[in-house]
Amino acid sequence: AQKITQTQPGMFVQEKEAVTLDCTYDTSDPSYGLFWYKQPSSGEMIFLIYQGSYDQQNATEGRYSLNFQKARKSANLVISASQLGDSAMYFCAMRGISWDSGGSNYKLTFGKGTLLTVNP
Amino acid sequence: ETGVTQTPRHLVMGMTNKKSLKCEQHLGHNAMYWYKQSAKKPLELMFVYNFKEQTENNSVPSRFSPECPNSSHLFLHLHTLQPEDSALYLCASSPEERDSQFFGPGTRLTVL
Repeated sequence: AQKITQTQPGMFVQEKEAVTLDCTYDTSDPSYGLFWYKQPSSGEMIFLIYQGSYDQQNATEGRYSLNFQKARKSANLVISASQLGDSAMYFCAMRGISWDSGGSNYKLTFGKGTLLTVNP
Repeated sequence: ETGVTQTPRHLVMGMTNKKSLKCEQHLGHNAMYWYKQSAKKPLELMFVYNFKEQTENNSVPSRFSPECPNSSHLFLHLHTLQPEDSALYLCASSPEERDSQFFGPGTRLTVL
């Protein structure tokens, strides 16, 4: 079974500062993927960044970077130079693989999310 | 602008009503998903379709009935729902099941 844990229900950061959102995971799959999504108050989920379990380097996408520590099973999201528009819910998710007689199945498991508020 | 659209954006229905949620993706993806997001709970996967075939039914009650007539359209038919079914229902798509998913804006459903 897969599990994603986000221990920070809410975080506050000053505009232009960096912030780290925590995510730890648990899985027995040898290969997996880790994702971060942003959900503004409008409701839609916006894909931010992806890290594969065998990727040698930490993923970066603009102001977003993923601090992947495989041994510690953590995949923290770092947002640099926070902007007011970054205020939203942030979800960490893991894609795992399950196998049955029908073949392989991919499943995305989400954490409970962290509400980030950027203060001016 | 998102490549995944959902209609309606808001829906209020009684427990005896029958309604349908619609999802359409213009990204050429082969896999489509329905998720339920309730307050203070993690996002829950409901159904997965790959090439129009249902590949996952995550123990969803039969009052939710999905339909995928083609790779671009996904419906969720609702009937005799309960107040606890009130939630945000999100549709997503991905090129294949293993790929990053792109979400629609969601339908906010309220069951009275």
